[in-house]
Amino acid sequence: AQSVTQPDIHITVSEGASLELRCNYSYGATPYLFWYVQSPGQGLQLLLKYFSGDTLVQGIKGFEAEFKRSQSSFNLRKPSVHWSDAAEYFCAVGAGGGATNKLIFGTGTLLAVQP
Amino acid sequence: GAVVSQHPSWVICKSGTSVKIECRSLDFQATTMFWYRQFPKQSLMLMATSNEGSKATYEQGVEKDKFLINHASLTLSTLTVTSAHPEDSSFYICSASTSGRVMKTQYFGPGTRLLVL
Repeated sequence: AQSVTQPDIHITVSEGASLELRCNYSYGATPYLFWYVQSPGQGLQLLLKYFSGDTLVQGIKGFEAEFKRSQSSFNLRKPSVHWSDAAEYFCAVGAGGGATNKLIFGTGTLLAVQP
Repeated sequence: GAVVSQHPSWVICKSGTSVKIECRSLDFQATTMFWYRQFPKQSLMLMATSNEGSKATYEQGVEKDKFLINHASLTLSTLTVTSAHPEDSSFYICSASTSGRVMKTQYFGPGTRLLVL
């Protein structure tokens, strides 16, 4: 069965420091991978997605993610974190494709940014 | 582009009443819409998938008679929580996508917070 694991429930980084959020997936075929961000009390905003092609994907707000098939990972990175990046981050894998297009979400990583 | 709205953003109701939540895709035609439920400090749990003009497909454990979903047009889906009880209090989020043979990106609404007293 498809699944997504985000090992870090909570991460605190200093403003200006680099960031890496981990995501591991379990999926039998080539996965469709997504990172979403959720601010408190809000819906989810798409940061980036990987469908095929270049394994290093650029997203909005300076984020990037790298698909590593050998490690079943899709880690999210940002070279310099801003205070406004504090939010919850969800990794998701697309399961089913075609008519279903379901997403399976990880449990999320809550990012805190300290001055 | 790809904006999804939800209405209302929050609602408080008495136990036993029904509540309708609307999900609209504002600038694209959403052949498929999804309804999720999110408990505090938890991830999103898919409740059901609805394709325009057909019956919704519910996830295991979700009561279809409790959570009525209608997807009557390419831009509107509604979720009705019937005879709501306090345990139905939650954050409900919809998403919308186009469909096709290849995976399509889901765009999410801002969510509706339901409190049942």
